[in-house]
Amino acid sequence: NAGVTQTPKFRILKIGQSMTLQCTQDMNHNYMYWYRQDPGMGLKLIYYSVGAGITDKGEVPNGYNVSRSTTEDFPLRLELAAPSQTSVYFCASSIIQIDNYGYTFGSGTRLTVV
Amino acid sequence: ILNVEQSPQSLHVQEGDSTNFTCSFPSSNFYALHWYRWETAKSPEALFVMTLNGDEKKKGRISATLNTKEGYSYLYIKGSQPEDSATYLCASHTGNQFYFGTGTSLTVIP
Repeated sequence: NAGVTQTPKFRILKIGQSMTLQCTQDMNHNYMYWYRQDPGMGLKLIYYSVGAGITDKGEVPNGYNVSRSTTEDFPLRLELAAPSQTSVYFCASSIIQIDNYGYTFGSGTRLTVV
Repeated sequence: ILNVEQSPQSLHVQEGDSTNFTCSFPSSNFYALHWYRWETAKSPEALFVMTLNGDEKKKGRISATLNTKEGYSYLYIKGSQPEDSATYLCASHTGNQFYFGTGTSLTVIP
């Protein structure tokens, strides 16, 4: 049982480049989330999805896009990368939004935009 | 936006000491509180999910309490061990989404 798998683990982008952060879960969870963590700040929700074909904005969605074509996959797309998007990105999933188990997190993607 | 605050920001204790830290959150529209343990270079792992006022949960030497009326939760570690060194995160849910605190970084000195 792999849980939540994120790729890549590290990436350096130049300003204006684009990339997709991949997230896959094998637990058949309905809910999936993308968070970013900046130094000294709590995890901030970028986008979330309640099931295949359904996505919604979180607290800090600007500069990002997501899609959820399958239950397993929830990629995060950065278009026109900016230095402000330098952060550590975490994908997470849960059975429902509030359950007895909490979120299962991926191992994170450290992104630097230069 | 919901402000979830954790204190202290960091803590150093000697092995064998017991310790506790606090998560404060707005008490209105409360649905659930999560506690996570986050070791360096790993991903957060869920410790407790708490929903009811007065809830007390325990896992080994770690326990947590919840007061939804006054908006706080305590995490207790009894007899701290070096392997307890980690950041402990809480997150509060208002019915829309979870909001995370910035964590308490615990270092247990052998």
